[in-house]
Amino acid sequence: SQKIEQNSEALNIQEGKTATLTCNYTNYSPAYLQWYRQDPGRGPVFLLLIRENEKEKRKERLKVTFDTTLKQSLFHITASQPADSATYLCALYGTASKLTFGTGTRLQVTL
Amino acid sequence: GAVVSQHPSWVICKSGTSVKIECRSLDFQATTMFWYRQFPKQSLMLMATSNEGSKATYEQGVEKDKFLINHASLTLSTLTVTSAHPEDSSFYICSAPSGRAWGGELFFGEGSRLTVL
Repeated sequence: SQKIEQNSEALNIQEGKTATLTCNYTNYSPAYLQWYRQDPGRGPVFLLLIRENEKEKRKERLKVTFDTTLKQSLFHITASQPADSATYLCALYGTASKLTFGTGTRLQVTL
Repeated sequence: GAVVSQHPSWVICKSGTSVKIECRSLDFQATTMFWYRQFPKQSLMLMATSNEGSKATYEQGVEKDKFLINHASLTLSTLTVTSAHPEDSSFYICSAPSGRAWGGELFFGEGSRLTVL
C-alpha cells in the first residue's frame, strides 16, 4: 500500500540552528512533492513544490531536496527562529491526481 | 497568494442535527475544491472532490449521503454533515488548487472545528 512517512516525534532545536525534516514514501511515483506548514487549529499553508526532475529547491531560508531513488525528501530551515515552530507536512501527487499528506512533524524552536 | 475562506470556524451541535460548512474562493475561481478531515494529531484525510456543476467524487469509505457536497458556483462549495454524531466531531478543511492544470499547490481555508454533543 502507499505510505508517506514523517517522523511523528517532535523535533526540538535551538534558535539559529538548521532544522531538517524527513519525508519518506513507498509505492508512489510522484511527479510533484510539496511541503506545507500547519499551525494549531489552522489550515495548512503551502511552502514549496519540487518536481521529480529537480534535485533541490530553495526559497529564502527554506530548502527542499527530492531523491526519487531513495524515495525521500528532506526539508531544511536554516537559521531557525521561534516563529518557525509549527507542524510541517509533506504531500504527494500520485497517479490518482490527489494530493495525499503525511502525518507531519512538529518543529519546536527554542531560544 | 489566493485566499480561501471557510465558515463557520467552529460549530457545536446536538447529535442528530445537520451542519453546513461553506468554502469560498475569494479572489479566484475554483472549478474544483477538496474537502479534508483531520482528527487530532493525525494527517489530513481527503474526503471528497467537489466539482462545479457536477456531482462530487467521494473517497472510499466516505458516505456520500452523510456528507453532502454542493458546488453551485465557481467560488462556493458547501459541505453538509447530516444527522451528525459525536464520531463526526473533527476539523474539516477545504482547499482549492492554484490554477495549474495538475500538481499545483493547494490553498486551504482556515478550517471548521465541528463538535457534536
